[in-house]
Amino acid sequence: GAVVSQHPSWVICKSGTSVKIECRSLDFQATTMFWYRQFPKQSLMLMATSNEGSKATYEQGVEKDKFLINHASLTLSTLTVTSAHPEDSSFYICSARGRADNEQFFGPGTRLTVL
Amino acid sequence: GQNIDQPTEMTATEGAIVQINCTYQTSGFNGLFWYQQHAGEAPTFLSYNVLDGLEEKGRFSSFLSRSKGYSYLLLKELQMKDSASYLCASLDSNYQLIWGAGTKLIIKP
Repeated sequence: GAVVSQHPSWVICKSGTSVKIECRSLDFQATTMFWYRQFPKQSLMLMATSNEGSKATYEQGVEKDKFLINHASLTLSTLTVTSAHPEDSSFYICSARGRADNEQFFGPGTRLTVL
Repeated sequence: GQNIDQPTEMTATEGAIVQINCTYQTSGFNGLFWYQQHAGEAPTFLSYNVLDGLEEKGRFSSFLSRSKGYSYLLLKELQMKDSASYLCASLDSNYQLIWGAGTKLIIKP
């Protein structure tokens, strides 16, 4: 199946700093990428949907100025958590969808801890 | 509104069979997914149904009834490694996945 990678796998940062998470589709072109957040013992929460070359569409309640998403190419999307605070600590997961498939392929996730 | 319902938690015995049910109400329908998620890991794909009926894949099978807005995931010959959360997700008319809260499956020896 298709492979999606995320980097870093985990990150610890101080409050107030910014963190960038990369999501790459390794063997296919992802026209659409999705960013999810998952808190412990809860289901996935869609944060935003990004299509290559256009602005991301954010879900209600997700601050677009705080969670900056860039989908500059068909294989790379980035999520930047700006001025991170402890409440932003979570498991961030990206997924990618190709042109033909209904299926989403998930990255392994990035665990963010903000001190 | 859009809604996915599945049980919060289920317990089963190693070697047995368990059925995890899911009902859905979404804006449009382009298929129903089941994912497995172990703690601390991203979800992994198990099955996709878009037509009515049963799809069998090894020890796992998935069933869909579009008229009833209902699906189930059937796990046979349960193994301890099957202990995980099982997420039901419906693909809506915009090809967005609408997620259920997940069913935590506990396997006992």
